[in-house]
Amino acid sequence: ETGVTQTPRHLVMGMTNKKSLKCEQHLGHNAMYWYKQSAKKPLELMFVYNFKEQTENNSVPSRFSPECPNSSHLFLHLHTLQPEDSALYLCASSQDYTTGANVLTFGAGSRLTVL
Amino acid sequence: KQEVTQIPAALSVPEGENLVLNCSFTDSAIYNLQWFRQDPGKGLTSLLLIQSSQREQTSGRLNASLDKSSGRSTLYIAASQPGDSATYLCAVRSRGGADGLTFGKGTHLIIQP
Repeated sequence: ETGVTQTPRHLVMGMTNKKSLKCEQHLGHNAMYWYKQSAKKPLELMFVYNFKEQTENNSVPSRFSPECPNSSHLFLHLHTLQPEDSALYLCASSQDYTTGANVLTFGAGSRLTVL
Repeated sequence: KQEVTQIPAALSVPEGENLVLNCSFTDSAIYNLQWFRQDPGKGLTSLLLIQSSQREQTSGRLNASLDKSSGRSTLYIAASQPGDSATYLCAVRSRGGADGLTFGKGTHLIIQP
């Protein structure tokens, strides 16, 4: 494990389901990120949290709802998703987001399939 | 808006060859550039980070260069091995806009034994 743990690793859900992805980091970092990786597209930044405060919402549809209860945990709540939302969702963390020497550590990802 | 392009999209070479992966970005106002490796079904592993004030970084058989003014970076892999087979991603952290990284689509590398 890289220090950033994501669960579940695989998730299959229907369009009417509600599910959540979880991310936990054991690195003492203060910033956490959600990225989406779709087939044949670059990784897309979804959300950024710094010291539990959301600093970036990259025009993500409201059917994705992030939650950051503390600097170590990050959730992505999913509801009424579409098949095109099927992708690998990657969580990352970094010391903070304000310095140029920011190195991101990624988790292994949660593979989501929406039927 | 920052855009990152990686060439080639895919590359297959025999074991032992030296090879170069290319990355270009449109906005030179960056904090840093990072190269990652992604194995199938796995997350990203950071390989090298180059700050905007640096020209290159080296780690083992890997050497990454940065020419910020021309918006280019290269990742040089010496004496390639089958274990180097993976997708290599380039990402930049821009001074403006979103606080995360902007990624390229990656180069899918296969090293033939």
